Amino acid sequence: SYALTQPPSVSVSPGQTAGITCSGDGLAKKFTYWYQQKSGQAPVVVIYEDNKRPSGIPERFSGSSSGTLATLTITGAQVDDEGDYYCYSTDDSGDHRGVFGGGTTLTVL
Amino acid sequence: EVQLVQSGAEVRKPGESLRISCKGSEDTFANFWIGWVRQMPGKGLEWMGIIYAGDSDTTYSPSFEGHVTISADKSTNTAYLQWASLKTSDTAIYYCARHERTYGAFWIDHWGQGTLVTVSS
Repeated sequence: SYALTQPPSVSVSPGQTAGITCSGDGLAKKFTYWYQQKSGQAPVVVIYEDNKRPSGIPERFSGSSSGTLATLTITGAQVDDEGDYYCYSTDDSGDHRGVFGGGTTLTVL
Repeated sequence: EVQLVQSGAEVRKPGESLRISCKGSEDTFANFWIGWVRQMPGKGLEWMGIIYAGDSDTTYSPSFEGHVTISADKSTNTAYLQWASLKTSDTAIYYCARHERTYGAFWIDHWGQGTLVTVSS
């Protein structure tokens, strides 16, 4: 079955740049989306279609994709950015089934 | 403003049935797909499936097909997630999620607040 792989955790100091990766064979042909989930809250999309930022998402969030690897970058991470981040894409079944990565816990301290 | 309002927390015993709901505004359901995402305690997000309320066209993740039923009532802009016989392993938060469709792919642009389902004897 199709799978997306993320590192379990990433830790940075405030003001540093955090990078969270997502790998999957299908990413070379499919868009990657990134969701932020803070403790006790529903997820929120922070990046869509590899590198687009929804309105209201700070400019420090950016996305990129090359081949089978997608990356979410937070430039100048803030304590408020702590939470879990999930990449998402769709499989190759033709039925567009969604798939989430396992999630990455970002710690900023 | 897009709103997805889910039904409240539920507690059931193993073997019991359950249906939870997700009500959206008309502009939420019209021309969009509504799906469900599971989050087990302390775990990650799992995509379960989606439905198009207009014609009830449904797609399931292989991990969930046969274990749950997704349905929708377009007249009330409500989507449902249903179990015929719950297991303790169904204990989780379930999010409904509006899916946008662009370039032939579905992605989630809005989420409900989540419904906690607890299954315990």
